[in-house]
Amino acid sequence: DQQVKQNSPSLSVQEGRISILNCDYTNSMFDYFLWYKKYPAEGPTFLISISSIKDKNEDGRFTVFLNKSAKHLSLHIVPSQPGDSAVYFCAASKGGANNLFFGTGTRLTVIP
Amino acid sequence: ETGVTQSPTHLIKTRGQQVTLRCSSQSGHNTVSWYQQALGQGPQFIFQYYREEENGRGNFPPRFSGLQFPNYSSELNVNALELDDSALYLCASSLLGRGTNTGELFFGEGSRLTVL
Repeated sequence: DQQVKQNSPSLSVQEGRISILNCDYTNSMFDYFLWYKKYPAEGPTFLISISSIKDKNEDGRFTVFLNKSAKHLSLHIVPSQPGDSAVYFCAASKGGANNLFFGTGTRLTVIP
Repeated sequence: ETGVTQSPTHLIKTRGQQVTLRCSSQSGHNTVSWYQQALGQGPQFIFQYYREEENGRGNFPPRFSGLQFPNYSSELNVNALELDDSALYLCASSLLGRGTNTGELFFGEGSRLTVL
């Protein structure tokens, strides 16, 4: 039972444009959401997070939006750079626990 | 600051064998979690260790077991290997306690296990 879903396995974007990665979840008990980035042969690295009490969190070129009523979050990267090419995982946790539920990932390719 | 390191990076076993994977946590971290990432899937939580005791477990059978040592390093043991155990096993460390960020984990590169 996949509680966190990333329905787009891949996304290609031109350098300088906006990348939008989407994530849906089914468990209304989730109260903390994270995005991780993974390069080949490396472990996932934390990118940005958002608590369920907020609807937006921004860190430089990265912004995460949370729509609790739709159980949907998105990661915006602007402007996109070739170094952003990686697999992006959406993850969620509930009740202060730090075991994460991950989506299946979206492979982002930024074309120079 | 030393990051999370895992060993071995790759290994091949046959069905029915046992395997031990090792993880050294990032300095200053007191919690280790293990995740299994099958091909084309996201990481799935196996279990977490805090102060040398299991502190939460995902939907994995008892043949998946672990240890955490006083220096916060950890082992993942899998007995009676099955073909479906072939995956990337990720170790992640974190700091549980007041003021820590919920859910922020620091991952190692993983150990890729192939079961034939």
